[in-house]
Amino acid sequence: GESVGLHLPTLSVQEGDNSIINCAYSNSASDYFIWYKQESGKGPQFIIDIRSNMDKRQGQRVTVLLNKTVKHLSLQIAATQPGDSAVYFCAESTSGNTPLVFGKGTRLSVIA
Amino acid sequence: DVKVTQSSRYLVKRTGEKVFLECVQDMDHENMFWYRQDPGLGLRLIYFSYDVKMKEKGDIPEGYSVSREKKERFSLILESASTNQTSMYLCASRGLAGNTDTQYFGPGTRLTVL
Repeated sequence: GESVGLHLPTLSVQEGDNSIINCAYSNSASDYFIWYKQESGKGPQFIIDIRSNMDKRQGQRVTVLLNKTVKHLSLQIAATQPGDSAVYFCAESTSGNTPLVFGKGTRLSVIA
Repeated sequence: DVKVTQSSRYLVKRTGEKVFLECVQDMDHENMFWYRQDPGLGLRLIYFSYDVKMKEKGDIPEGYSVSREKKERFSLILESASTNQTSMYLCASRGLAGNTDTQYFGPGTRLTVL
């Protein structure tokens, strides 16, 4: 398959373990954050989002944590499965119509 | 479910050709975007649009133009394709869902310029 990015940070986890993917953002005015998953050759897929008035939000097997003090965002995936192997991007935006700012991505590899 | 569709998954064109990449969304979103994605460079914003007939330059607009005649459709145009425009092109739309302004992507068009 195609690579969506070379020289990306890579996280390798054993199947069944939990994964934590981190993202630092720079704009203290950012108030909305999204995590995307991108599989090889496909467009980014929305996973979960969080507003700045929250510290934590949970979805199905995923949790997003937001630490505004240190401008840090993390995505936790519980019981990681082979189908979770992909590149994960965080994105941030400020209120209004400003375009999202994307991180470079982290490649998650799940070892069966 | 939000659906963003792109006219082609794969496209091969020759240098100097005019290329049209079409994107359609079915969620009545105001905002639409065109990105290109290259290994090691991440997602780069080419153009975006907040409304019909409106367009704004992104980070790398050179060599591209766009058209938004209808709310659901946003077209990217390569006036004279060049080999350095070989890339994955991603369209996205963004609009209010509840109290969030979630952005959704299309499947991408892999363009090769020979």
